[in-house]
Amino acid sequence: SQQGEEDPQALSIQEGENATMNCSYKTSINNLQWYRQNSGRGLVHLILIRSNEREKHSGRLRVTLDTSKKSSSLLITASRAADTASYFCALLTSYSSASKIIFGSGTRLSIRP
Amino acid sequence: NAGVTQTPKFQVLKTGQSMTLQCAQDMNHNSMYWYRQDPGMGLRLIYYSASEGTTDKGEVPNGYNVSRLNKREFSLRLESAAPSQTSVYFCASSGLARGRWGETQYFGPGTRLLVL
Repeated sequence: SQQGEEDPQALSIQEGENATMNCSYKTSINNLQWYRQNSGRGLVHLILIRSNEREKHSGRLRVTLDTSKKSSSLLITASRAADTASYFCALLTSYSSASKIIFGSGTRLSIRP
Repeated sequence: NAGVTQTPKFQVLKTGQSMTLQCAQDMNHNSMYWYRQDPGMGLRLIYYSASEGTTDKGEVPNGYNVSRLNKREFSLRLESAAPSQTSVYFCASSGLARGRWGETQYFGPGTRLLVL
């Protein structure tokens, strides 16, 4: 399967701690995106990293991409209660078709007050 | 801007009934998508449209049809609903440039469908 595999499936941390979640995949990619989904809502785009990039930052978010290991990580620093959500990686394996966009099964993040 | 809107928010159907899920976007995007999300799984692409007048099958198209009515609207139709189609359905849009995939997608709030 080309599907992104996310790890862990669920993560519970104390407010203020850092949260790290990982996405591994099996095929080559053109880019990788991370999305957040609050309970009962649609997905919201967080960050996009291209295959020739190794690291990107956006506020408290840091994304890394290691194409040799076929993996990406999303780090949320100084977590807040509002970060409680599910996080999904989305892989683009080809620019030829939208069917080449593959979503992972997600990591459920819970932030304890 | 409303972004991506979907109607209805929730629907209960009996097996064999039909219905159409509506989606509209006001961002002048060319590309639109329909996904389903089942518990514990990521989104799976049902159909997509690169521009008005064109539609293509995604990963799980069986049992569904779509219409790209104009640039703004993309509807999903279930002709004869089955319990296996119980899911949450998301519409999304992306792309100011035609034929470019992998750009940021903007999602609607979802339609929760229960088929009894």
